[in-house]
Order: sequence, then structure tokens, then C-alpha cells
Amino acid sequence: DQQVKQNSPSLSVQEGRISILNCDYTNSMFDYFLWYKKYPAEGPTFLISISSIKDKNEDGRFTVFLNKSAKHLSLHIVPSQPGDSAVYFCAASAIYGGSQGNLIFGKGTKLSVKP
Amino acid sequence: DVKVTQSSRYLVKRTGEKVFLECVQDMDHENMFWYRQDPGLGLRLIYFSYDVKMKEKGDIPEGYSVSREKKERFSLILESASTNQTSMYLCASSFSPTDSGTLNTEAFFGQGTRLTVV
Repeated sequence: DQQVKQNSPSLSVQEGRISILNCDYTNSMFDYFLWYKKYPAEGPTFLISISSIKDKNEDGRFTVFLNKSAKHLSLHIVPSQPGDSAVYFCAASAIYGGSQGNLIFGKGTKLSVKP
Repeated sequence: DVKVTQSSRYLVKRTGEKVFLECVQDMDHENMFWYRQDPGLGLRLIYFSYDVKMKEKGDIPEGYSVSREKKERFSLILESASTNQTSMYLCASSFSPTDSGTLNTEAFFGQGTRLTVV
């Protein structure tokens, strides 16, 4: 039973346009959400996070939105650049639920940004 | 600069061999994790440890064991390697939210070990 779902295995976007990556979760105990970016043959790198007390967090070209009632979060990349082409993983944790910071990951979305 | 180092980038082992994957972090993190990544399956947690000598099973612990004798080192052991354990193995570490009092529990990953079992 998947607790974190990324229903789009892939996404293709034109350079300069907005990329929107979506993530849904089922566990209402999750209170901290993260996005990671992964290039082939490398480990994932942390991109941006949001706690459940917020509904938006922004860092440069990257913005994460959280809709707790819908158990949905999204990552917006504006403007998209060819170097953003990678696999993006959504992750969640139940910090106050005693998970000790254990992260549950989705299956990932492969983003391709075309010049 | 934070660092999680995995001992090998690429490994080829024979079926039935005992395999050790080593991971070292220099950030004084309490938590350490082992994941495997397979196409279409994302990152799946094998084991994690929240303290020295402590370990917890993740989603797919079968066929694996772990060892954490020192805070900075977390080893993954394949007792008898099988072809279905061919995968990319990723080690990660993070602060514990209860020990650090912070929500910043993002995990830092190593570069990965591509293991092929033949």
C-alpha cells in the first residue's frame, strides 16, 4: 500500500515554461514533506521542503505547495531549464508521529526539459 | 560541506557471495538509512538506524542485515547475494527530530553503489 504516490512517471516541458510535479499521500500523520532531485548514477539531492503548518514554501525558481485537506503537494519550477531534467522524488515523514525522521518516498517523476 | 560516502560506486558479485556495503557520514547524524532504487519502484527502505547498535526494518528487509557499531558508519550486508538483489543501493543520513529538536530532517545521500549479482 503506497503511502506516497507520484502518479505521473514522466513529464516533458519546454524550456522557459513552468514544470508542475504532483504528489499525493494517504497517511494523515505525515507532517513534513520534501522534494529530491536525482541524476542518473548519482544519489538524490535535497531540493526543498515544507512542514504541515505551511501551505507554500519558495526557494528561487522552486516552490512547493501543500494542500492538507486534499493530501496533495506539488512542486513548481519556473522557469524550467534543461539542467532541471532529472527524476524528482517526493518524500514524507511523520516527525511528531514518532517516525524518528524516516522518509517515505514516492516512485518518482522523470522530468525532461526540452531546449 | 556535508558528506555521505559509500565505499564503492560499482560492484559485481556472484550468486551466493556475502556482500558488504559500507557507508560513512561526517555530519554527526543520529539517523542512517539504506535504500534501494529500482526502475518504476522508486526508493524503498531496507533498514534504518536511529542510534548506535539500534536498527529497524524498513519495507524490504528480507535477505539483508545491517550493522552500526559506530555513529558514523552503517553497513548493509547481503548474507547470500541473489540476482534479484541487483540494484542501486543508496545510503543516507539525517538528524533525528527528537534529538535535534528540529524539523530539518532532510536526509543527505551518498553517491550510490550499483551492485550487479551474476
